[in-house]
Amino acid sequence: GESVGLHLPTLSVQEGDNSIINCAYSNSASDYFIWYKQESGKGPQFIIDIRSNMDKRQGQRVTVLLNKTVKHLSLQIAATQPGDSAVYFCAEPGGGSGNTPLVFGKGTRLSVIA
Amino acid sequence: EPEVTQTPSHQVTQMGQEVILRCVPISNHLYFYWYRQILGQKVEFLVSFYNNEISEKSEIFDDQFSVERPDGSNFTLKIRSTKLEDSAMYFCASKRATYGYTFGSGTRLTVV
Repeated sequence: GESVGLHLPTLSVQEGDNSIINCAYSNSASDYFIWYKQESGKGPQFIIDIRSNMDKRQGQRVTVLLNKTVKHLSLQIAATQPGDSAVYFCAEPGGGSGNTPLVFGKGTRLSVIA
Repeated sequence: EPEVTQTPSHQVTQMGQEVILRCVPISNHLYFYWYRQILGQKVEFLVSFYNNEISEKSEIFDDQFSVERPDGSNFTLKIRSTKLEDSAMYFCASKRATYGYTFGSGTRLTVV
């Protein structure tokens, strides 16, 4: 089965609201997770990562939360802007070391309504 | 900021023809990858390359696919005899250490 998966395929939010994108993973050995943003016609762009020894990590307007108990992580985007419209993927290195290839989830399309 | 560069951005080819997709990874990176993404689907791993050899490959990466790092800067993906189902975005990625992948902007391959 799929190592990572996303709960919702699409998410529409009003500009200025906060967005929450969720991701579930199945391998309890997974120790590193990455969120990518993919705009139309472009490659995945790193947003933020988190290691399994952390529950929360914050970046600029983004926060990733990791709940190892239920094998769930989320990406929170504060004050969502039109430029945040994209597909968001969670990814992890297949439950192996950081050198194993990334396994991507299916993606959530975020649409920001102006 | 260093980038992974891919050329061409779009390639149209006849079914059965050979194509070579080119990538220039970041210069001090050591691990190289090809991924593909069929339209509307998730990004899928094809192959990883380290120390001048394939380190891992997926089921997708069959005998029709090959990779090369011919000159220490380029990293190529060759598809010998393209099929319609090879139409996809192909992404090259590289990294130096355990973490820190950088992806290129991709080559859109259209097989007709």
